[in-house]
Amino acid sequence: KAGVTQTPRYLIKTRGQQVTLSCSPISGHRSVSWYQQTPGQGLQFLFEYFSETQRNKGNFPGRFSGRQFSNSRSEMNVSTLELGDSALYLCASSLASNTGELFFGEGSRLTVL
Amino acid sequence: QKEVEQDPGPLSVPEGAIVSLNCTYSNSAFQYFMWYRQYSRKGPELLMYTYSSGNKEDGRFTAQVDKSSKYISLFIRDSQPSDSATYLCAMNQVGDDKIIFGKGTRLHILP
Repeated sequence: KAGVTQTPRYLIKTRGQQVTLSCSPISGHRSVSWYQQTPGQGLQFLFEYFSETQRNKGNFPGRFSGRQFSNSRSEMNVSTLELGDSALYLCASSLASNTGELFFGEGSRLTVL
Repeated sequence: QKEVEQDPGPLSVPEGAIVSLNCTYSNSAFQYFMWYRQYSRKGPELLMYTYSSGNKEDGRFTAQVDKSSKYISLFIRDSQPSDSATYLCAMNQVGDDKIIFGKGTRLHILP
């Protein structure tokens, strides 16, 4: 069974640009969560989608958005990039919502210059 | 006070030693407690998953939850160099999609 796939793995952007990250969950998993990981703040919850609906959102500005498609694949978008957005963005899928049994991808490492 | 506190380490121990990793938390509503392991340049992987208080054992790993003290632990017996990684505690409430992670403890097992 294929794991969670995130693309791209690495990317470099400049301030003010926008970026779209993609996540393909494990087959059969309907819940997709996104996390931002930085050395200073650790893993911080961005949002969670279940059956194309955003179920929960973390404490991030509106520049961070996401969506989920009918095949459970998900994308997140960050607009007007700031230096502080440099981080590892992790996607996790699970069979159901409200569970701590998350399966993470390897992440997309974003560097903002 | 942060919801979940975890000593960042690094923690260095000799191969074969027993390792104890800990987290404290402030929200008494947390009911699900997890430990994830993250190798360098990889995503976290679930190690242990427990509900409410008590112990759970899986091979060399034992997870312990003390809800009265708001304290959780992960013990690793007969530690191996391959156990060198960052260990993250995580927890959430019943019915809540939002999982709160500790910042992680970096562990080095010295051969």
